[in-house]
Amino acid sequence: EAQVTQNPRYLITVTGKKLTVTCSQNMNHEYMSWYRQDPGLGLRQIYYSMNVEVTDKGDVPEGYKVSRKEKRNFPLILESPSPNQTSLYFCASSFGTGTEAFFGQGTRLTVV
Amino acid sequence: SQQGEEDPQALSIQEGENATMNCSYKTSINNLQWYRQNSGRGLVHLILIRSNEREKHSGRLRVTLDTSKKSSSLLITASRAADTASYFCATATSGTYKYIFGTGTRLKVLA
Repeated sequence: EAQVTQNPRYLITVTGKKLTVTCSQNMNHEYMSWYRQDPGLGLRQIYYSMNVEVTDKGDVPEGYKVSRKEKRNFPLILESPSPNQTSLYFCASSFGTGTEAFFGQGTRLTVV
Repeated sequence: SQQGEEDPQALSIQEGENATMNCSYKTSINNLQWYRQNSGRGLVHLILIRSNEREKHSGRLRVTLDTSKKSSSLLITASRAADTASYFCATATSGTYKYIFGTGTRLKVLA
């Protein structure tokens, strides 16, 4: 089954404790991206990757890191999480920006 | 950040009625896509319209695109309770690999 898998689905952590949210896709997509969703603000793109070892900033990259060492995986790293990073996070993949994107089920992160 | 905007923010209709939601954006685009989200879950792709297209249909969905006004509309005909969800437009900006999503329209279809 074609899918984008995020883990964990829910995470509560403390300020400053490094964390990684994993994202994996099984559709051989070149393009992967991360979004955060906050009430009233819709989805905002954090980082995206056009292919292995090629990443670039979206609209809200501050406080986040990503890597794309393999085509199927695109982890999101929060080196020192802060309460303003409490949000619902989505990973998505596609063959490019001109094609349908597939979304993961989301990771609800709370930073206290 | 550059955000698209959907209008209205919320819409409540009776089952069987048509629902129309609008999206405005700010940049030149390659294409525009509409997505549906059920209650905090992942988004599901509905339809994609390219910048050189003016109208597209898919089942009960009809999408129009007016690049001169930088706007798009999504029409859902003969709505059902199962159409209750949030709907987002997303644009792929020309010359970049960025996606920009709108703030969404919350649709409630009453049985």
